[in-house]
Amino acid sequence: RKEVEQDPGPFNVPEGATVAFNCTYSNSASQSFFWYRQDCRKEPKLLMSVYSSGNEDGRFTAQLNRASQYISLLIRDSKLSDSATYLCVVPDNYGQNFVFGPGTRLSVLP
Amino acid sequence: SQTIHQWPATLVQPVGSPLSLECTVEGTSNPNLYWYRQAAGRGLQLLFYSVGIGQISSEVPQNLSASRPQDRQFILSSKKLLLSDSGFYLCAWTGEVYEQYFGPGTRLTVT
Repeated sequence: RKEVEQDPGPFNVPEGATVAFNCTYSNSASQSFFWYRQDCRKEPKLLMSVYSSGNEDGRFTAQLNRASQYISLLIRDSKLSDSATYLCVVPDNYGQNFVFGPGTRLSVLP
Repeated sequence: SQTIHQWPATLVQPVGSPLSLECTVEGTSNPNLYWYRQAAGRGLQLLFYSVGIGQISSEVPQNLSASRPQDRQFILSSKKLLLSDSGFYLCAWTGEVYEQYFGPGTRLTVT
């Protein structure tokens, strides 16, 4: 099993749709998790942190399932500007080594 | 507030030429610093990380090296570039709860 895996995508959804991405991780000792968004030819930018069961920020909700070792990202009321690649990141226990998932590409269509 | 700078923004270099990419961080002290590479259409690959001056950990054996001559400066180098070194090079630092912040990146094309 790869360290961090994500839904392969791409996801093509209409404006206003709700879309969810999943990310699975292999290190059962991981304590913190992150979602980043990366626009084409730009650096990744932190979207959300997940430390306990979940986190919500406006239209974005991240949930953590430790038993099944996956985190999810839910985007409600999708906007055109949400089109990007979403990266799942899992640090090691010391915060020194970070494993990035391959990313899930989202295209929100008008 | 903390900011991270990288230069150059783009670079085109011939095979066999040397490389030096620089990253500096402002507004924080003793940060953990990272170099990543992202090949076209691929995910991020961790190359090096540093927890302090002169301390470098390498994640992937290759013809690249890194140095940290000052607390907030991180340099990525190569003596002879390969075609496979082409990619988007990103420097990052880590915040208090392990979140990472990235610089704008250097897009390297080896011809």
